[in-house]
Amino acid sequence: KNEVEQSPQNLTAQEGEFITINCSYSVGISALHWLQQHPGGGIVSLFMLSSGKKKHGRLIATINIQEKHSSLHITASHPRDSAVYICAGLFGNEKLTFGTGTRLTIIP
Amino acid sequence: EAQVTQNPRYLITVTGKKLTVTCSQNMNHEYMSWYRQDPGLGLRQIYYSMNVEVTDKGDVPEGYKVSRKEKRNFPLILESPSPNQTSLYFCASSFSSWGAFQDNEQFFGPGTRLTVL
Repeated sequence: KNEVEQSPQNLTAQEGEFITINCSYSVGISALHWLQQHPGGGIVSLFMLSSGKKKHGRLIATINIQEKHSSLHITASHPRDSAVYICAGLFGNEKLTFGTGTRLTIIP
Repeated sequence: EAQVTQNPRYLITVTGKKLTVTCSQNMNHEYMSWYRQDPGLGLRQIYYSMNVEVTDKGDVPEGYKVSRKEKRNFPLILESPSPNQTSLYFCASSFSSWGAFQDNEQFFGPGTRLTVL
């Protein structure tokens, strides 16, 4: 069964803190995606990873294929980073299975 | 501006009354898909389309239909809506399928909140 699990479900931190959100998945994914869902509901694609690490601004995503685990890091967190972060495993080339999301709140 | 539009954004209807949620993209994308998002369950794929006249079922296709007659449009049809289809629906598009290219950015529509009474 294709499964993707995220932790934690909810995360509250002070502005400036280093944030880590975790995602684990079952065997067989060909890639892993990270998405951001804004408080208003809009969804934005952040990263797609099949190996190694990617960086965009203050966001860093890593994946460890052997351990079946990916992490999303946010450096120097800011209240505007408050959102729901969703990981999704690509099984085959077309079908995604999504995690249930991590709700991040950054307090000024 | 590159975008995916959905209409309507909000809809309250009654059981059994056929409805269509439209989705349109202006980026000449080949791949389009529909998702529903429910509390505690996350996003789940309903249907997807690799190109014009090519559609396939996702994980939760029951009770839904789609069509892809033109590249830009991918409407979601509920022939006989039921209360368990109350959900937040998202349409998304990309140049190709989710896994085809490393930097294949996915674009999401703003969402349609559907309530079936």
